[in-house]
Amino acid sequence: EAGVTQFPSHSVIEKGQTVTLRCDPISGHDNLYWYRRVMGKEIKFLLHFVKESKQDESGMPNNRFLAERTGGTYSTLKVQPAELEDSGVYFCASSQSSRELNEQFFGPGTRLTVL
Amino acid sequence: AQSVTQLGSHVSVSEGALVLLRCNYSSSVPPYLFWYVQYPNQGLQLLLKYTTGATLVKGINGFEAEFKKSETSFHLTKPSAHMSDAAEYFCAVSVRSNYQLIWGAGTKLIIKP
Repeated sequence: EAGVTQFPSHSVIEKGQTVTLRCDPISGHDNLYWYRRVMGKEIKFLLHFVKESKQDESGMPNNRFLAERTGGTYSTLKVQPAELEDSGVYFCASSQSSRELNEQFFGPGTRLTVL
Repeated sequence: AQSVTQLGSHVSVSEGALVLLRCNYSSSVPPYLFWYVQYPNQGLQLLLKYTTGATLVKGINGFEAEFKKSETSFHLTKPSAHMSDAAEYFCAVSVRSNYQLIWGAGTKLIIKP
């Protein structure tokens, strides 16, 4: 069974540009999470989808970040326009059901560098 | 609100020695506690978790952790370190009412030959 995949693995962009990160969860997982780790800091929650609906987006830093999960399958996280402080590693995770506490399976992350 | 503190950004042990990675948490409700590991160039992998029941939890690769409510701790241990244990380890907490994970800053485990 394929795990959580993320694309691209690395992205280097200039300040003011737009970047779109993609996450493909494990097939059949309704729950999808985005997290971010800024260099030297702890991993922070960004948002949580249940199927195509945003269950909790309390961690989204500002309106330059837009997450979508059309059709309840893969998700995209767009940063527009990117700022220097957006650099970090963006992790995606998925879990099967939120009725019970299910293990979140993580992708390898996308390392974003904003110059 | 929940928070997690991991003591030591880097821990160095000799191969064969005891591994002890410290994690303390704060939570206003009974927590669920996790340890994740990230090997170089890989994603985060669950080592073990505590939800309810037995306070000593065994995980993969010989790791275990003990939930101590009175000390608000969930330290990770392994009796004998192996070179392949070199990685970054993260402690995390969540609560029943929402499922976002709250993370510690991570501890890099260095194994000396």
